[in-house]
Amino acid sequence: GESVGLHLPTLSVQEGDNSIINCAYSNSASDYFIWYKQESGKGPQFIIDIRSNMDKRQGQRVTVLLNKTVKHLSLQIAATQPGDSAVYFCAEMRDGANNLFFGTGTRLTVIP
Amino acid sequence: DTEVTQTPKHLVMGMTNKKSLKCEQHMGHRAMYWYKQKAKKPPELMFVYSYEKLSINESVPSRFSPECPNSSLLNLHLHALQPEDSALYLCASSLGNRVGGDTFGSGTRLTVV
Repeated sequence: GESVGLHLPTLSVQEGDNSIINCAYSNSASDYFIWYKQESGKGPQFIIDIRSNMDKRQGQRVTVLLNKTVKHLSLQIAATQPGDSAVYFCAEMRDGANNLFFGTGTRLTVIP
Repeated sequence: DTEVTQTPKHLVMGMTNKKSLKCEQHMGHRAMYWYKQKAKKPPELMFVYSYEKLSINESVPSRFSPECPNSSLLNLHLHALQPEDSALYLCASSLGNRVGGDTFGSGTRLTVV
């Protein structure tokens, strides 16, 4: 399943399928990006990050893709599990700044 | 220890009350942050402390007053709040160069009545 972030804030996928969560960022000067996962009643949890000199980074079951040309970031989750159900936020940091700007967020629901 | 601990977890206060939120980390992080998060919205930065000095105040009303007594502690003093200030208040910390992102606490759920 796939979301387009700001336009589709919810995404439902079957357990075992791959998920793609998208994010459009606003500032071309942003040079560091992070994906966070926030479960109900908890604070955001770091998932994976990527710097602007890269276009792809892989973690355990997760991959982040960065397209600077169109200012687009995506998070791919392989073999989605019920424990992946949460709200996912992308966050950007601008060059020289010391604060993060969070995107709107996408709620991922995994159907067993 | 890779945690940011926030107390209390829940707080209900009247508009004339004075209360404080507390945050503690022992990861050696030198930057600490307060965020405000309304329901179904992303976290919004309020304050940044870097090496115990306030470096960013995102135009937050003076009824919110941050304090950083030392490199491990961060407080948020609340006075004369409004019902619209009800939200989840998140504390976070980082190495300061943002490698690895911010580590967040679980937040304080604040209700102003």
